[in-house]
Amino acid sequence: QVTLRESGPALVKPTQTLTLTCTFSGFSLSTSGMCVTWIRQPPGKALEWLARIDWDDDKFYSTSLKTRLTISKDTSKNQVVLTMTNMDPVDTATYYCARFFFRGGHLDHWGQGTLVTVSS
Amino acid sequence: SYVLTQPPSVSVAPGQTARITCGGHNIGIKNLHWYQQKPGQAPVLVVHDERARPSGIPERFSGSSSGNTATLTISRAEAGDEAAYYCQVWDSSSDHPVIFGGGTKLTVL
Repeated sequence: QVTLRESGPALVKPTQTLTLTCTFSGFSLSTSGMCVTWIRQPPGKALEWLARIDWDDDKFYSTSLKTRLTISKDTSKNQVVLTMTNMDPVDTATYYCARFFFRGGHLDHWGQGTLVTVSS
Repeated sequence: SYVLTQPPSVSVAPGQTARITCGGHNIGIKNLHWYQQKPGQAPVLVVHDERARPSGIPERFSGSSSGNTATLTISRAEAGDEAAYYCQVWDSSSDHPVIFGGGTKLTVL
């Protein structure tokens, strides 16, 4: 059974760096074809893809946010970490991690999401 | 960059058929996926690779695609189908972005 769970601060101040952790089970990121992505959703708005990390440590970022994002993995802990620098109130959103099914390009399992509010 | 266009809202009477469209250039040749998101919940994959259903998704959910338009069809709509629906493709070029449509709110009247 594949599960993912996001964790991190619920509140960050403007200009601070956000660090989110995705802890997963039911698959290994050292297995060929396995990938984890991060997606966010501002309140009442659409989904927005942020970043992806693959089993071979390839990393991909949203063009509009790539200067602020870093994604990494700890295969031994079954965790993926996303950091986003210089947080702004417009970054207030629910942040999701999801498993990316490489062959089809779809997100077949999602975490429950974690709401991050950016406010002073 | 690639853009997916969805109508903001669609309404359907219980028991009738709802059709939610997703427009994009030559979308018929892309792997197109659909997600259902109920309020306060994470999205759930309901159709992948245009017309395949994950385990546990009712046969009432089906997908199709042709030319520049993909369609998610929900037959015999139920109150429990009321949700936002998002289409998604993966652009395997350059930064490999995952691209979502703007979402369609389905109301079952």
